[in-house]
Amino acid sequence: AQKVTQAQTEISVVEKEDVTLDCVYETRDTTYYLFWYKQPPSGELVFLIRRNSFDEQNEISGRYSWNFQKSTSSFNFTITASQVVDSAVYFCALLINTGTASKLTFGTGTRLQVTL
Amino acid sequence: KAGVTQTPRYLIKTRGQQVTLSCSPISGHRSVSWYQQTPGQGLQFLFEYFSETQRNKGNFPGRFSGRQFSNSRSEMNVSTLELGDSALYLCASSLAGTGRSYGYTFGSGTRLTVV
Repeated sequence: AQKVTQAQTEISVVEKEDVTLDCVYETRDTTYYLFWYKQPPSGELVFLIRRNSFDEQNEISGRYSWNFQKSTSSFNFTITASQVVDSAVYFCALLINTGTASKLTFGTGTRLQVTL
Repeated sequence: KAGVTQTPRYLIKTRGQQVTLSCSPISGHRSVSWYQQTPGQGLQFLFEYFSETQRNKGNFPGRFSGRQFSNSRSEMNVSTLELGDSALYLCASSLAGTGRSYGYTFGSGTRLTVV
């Protein structure tokens, strides 16, 4: 069975602070994909990044960066110089490659509150 | 390029009624998945359709059903509504058959309230 754990329920930071959202996943499959989604109050899940299990290269995109470590089954997400518009719930998700069918297993989400 | 469109955005239904939700995927996307989001259970997978065939189903009772049309639009139906069915129902479309090589694009959801 697959499982995604986001231990941080809620994080509050002051604007311009850096913040890291943690994600730990469990799977016995060797091929899988990891995602981060952002859910603003409007409800839509906004796709942020996808990584496959064979790509441990970490990446920086603007104020966002990701740290994927298979050795610890972690896929953490960092926002540098946070802004009020970053306030949202962030979900980490795991997708297993079953060949013909797929489903995302989500963590419980981390609510990020950025204040002035 | 239009995103994933879900209608209606809000619904209020009475216990025992049935409801149909609609999802129009991004043009060219043939895979449509449905998820239920509640405060207690979080985001849970309902089912996935590809080329009008249900390929995967989550652990939900038979009151939850769905279908996909030849134009890839999908509908989900919930019969004999219960208070616990109150949730945000999200639809996601994907370019590839399994979505494994592409991200999923989600709609804004339909918020269903059962009273």
